[in-house]
Amino acid sequence: DGGITQSPKYLFRKEGQNVTLSCEQNLNHDAMYWYRQDPGQGLRLIYYSQIVNDFQKGDIAEGYSVSREKKESFPLTVTSAQKNPTAFYLCASFARDRGYGYTFGSGTRLTVV
Amino acid sequence: AQSVTQPDIHITVSEGASLELRCNYSYGATPYLFWYVQSPGQGLQLLLKYFSGDTLVQGIKGFEAEFKRSQSSFNLRKPSVHWSDAAEYFCAVGADPGTYKYIFGTGTRLKVLA
Repeated sequence: DGGITQSPKYLFRKEGQNVTLSCEQNLNHDAMYWYRQDPGQGLRLIYYSQIVNDFQKGDIAEGYSVSREKKESFPLTVTSAQKNPTAFYLCASFARDRGYGYTFGSGTRLTVV
Repeated sequence: AQSVTQPDIHITVSEGASLELRCNYSYGATPYLFWYVQSPGQGLQLLLKYFSGDTLVQGIKGFEAEFKRSQSSFNLRKPSVHWSDAAEYFCAVGADPGTYKYIFGTGTRLKVLA
């Protein structure tokens, strides 16, 4: 079955460290997205990519970076410049064949220790 | 600017009772509208969607939603709630057809009493 795999499910970061969250999809979708979820704030867009080797900043891109070297993969790096990184991170891909809805991964919970 | 409002942060209903979750949007044209459900610690699952045609749409798990242009609303309904429906529900609007960036509401957490 096709889908989106996010790893790891839980991640702990020390102050000043960069960490990378993995997102892989086997749905052959062109567009991929990273959202951050905080309690009571819904989902906020960090970065998105519509094609390989191209990506755009979302609403809260500061302190984050991404790459899109392969269609299947869209990793997110949380840098030390992100002052409040503790959150739940969701990766999604865009699905015309699912009525223009998103397919979401199961998320990564990042905690600063 | 486009926006989505879910006015109810928490809703509690008894099992077997009917449910309505509210969603209001702000957008100039007819938007793509979605409802998603999220179980704790999980990703979001698409319940239903609307972009044109019949304003009453049916989704999975017995849910339906009605698009009311005059009220800028897209409320989610279920006639009889099951304990397994306890989750968080998000309304979303697809306001940018070029990039398919969607705007999400802040969510409504549903609690179901046995």
